Amino acid sequence: QEQLVESGGGVVQPGGSLRLSCAASGFTFSTYDMQWVRQAPGKGLEWVTFIRNDGGNLHHIESVRGRFTISRDNSKNILYLQMNSLRVDDTAVYYCAKWRGYPGAFDVWGQGTLVAVSS
Amino acid sequence: DIQMTQSPSTLSASVGDTVTITCRASQSIGRWLAWYQQKPGRAPKVLISQASTLEVGVPSRFSGSGSGTDFTLTIYSLQPDDFATYYCQQYSSYWTFGQGTKLEIK
Repeated sequence: QEQLVESGGGVVQPGGSLRLSCAASGFTFSTYDMQWVRQAPGKGLEWVTFIRNDGGNLHHIESVRGRFTISRDNSKNILYLQMNSLRVDDTAVYYCAKWRGYPGAFDVWGQGTLVAVSS
Repeated sequence: DIQMTQSPSTLSASVGDTVTITCRASQSIGRWLAWYQQKPGRAPKVLISQASTLEVGVPSRFSGSGSGTDFTLTIYSLQPDDFATYYCQQYSSYWTFGQGTKLEIK
């Protein structure tokens, strides 16, 4: 079955860096656009960043501009999120999600990985 | 940016009740709207796409409607498994989630 498994979360000090990975299986990874969505403790869902199936057409929310970079390796079926200059308000569970395309929706989600930014 | 406003934030109901959650977009999004269900400690699960199309495997007691700026999710005859948090999401222009509606047992 279609599956996404995130890894790479942890505790980091403000200003630090982390790289999250999301391993995909059960579907043709290279044909789907992918996303990262985050959820701060006790809060709602926030879409963070998008990458097209071929690695192009990147989009992200303003608050992570210049700090977070989404990328992918279609040969390894892995999605990445490089997070630099981390701030306390970046603390959240980070989910990778598959964008189905028409008729829309994130139809496959990972289990999430917790990033905690704290001194 | 398109903002999504859900109401209510919390909803108390009993098994067997029918409940409605509302989602309003800050500008017209056509029918480019999805609804998700999330349980504590779990990833969200898509229930409905294109405002009213039920996902395969989702019980028919879930129903979505609306277009333009105003949308609703109705759950008929609530079951114990339905008590969770629900989010709307627009995908007309990038992606935005509503703030969520927690459906709790009365």
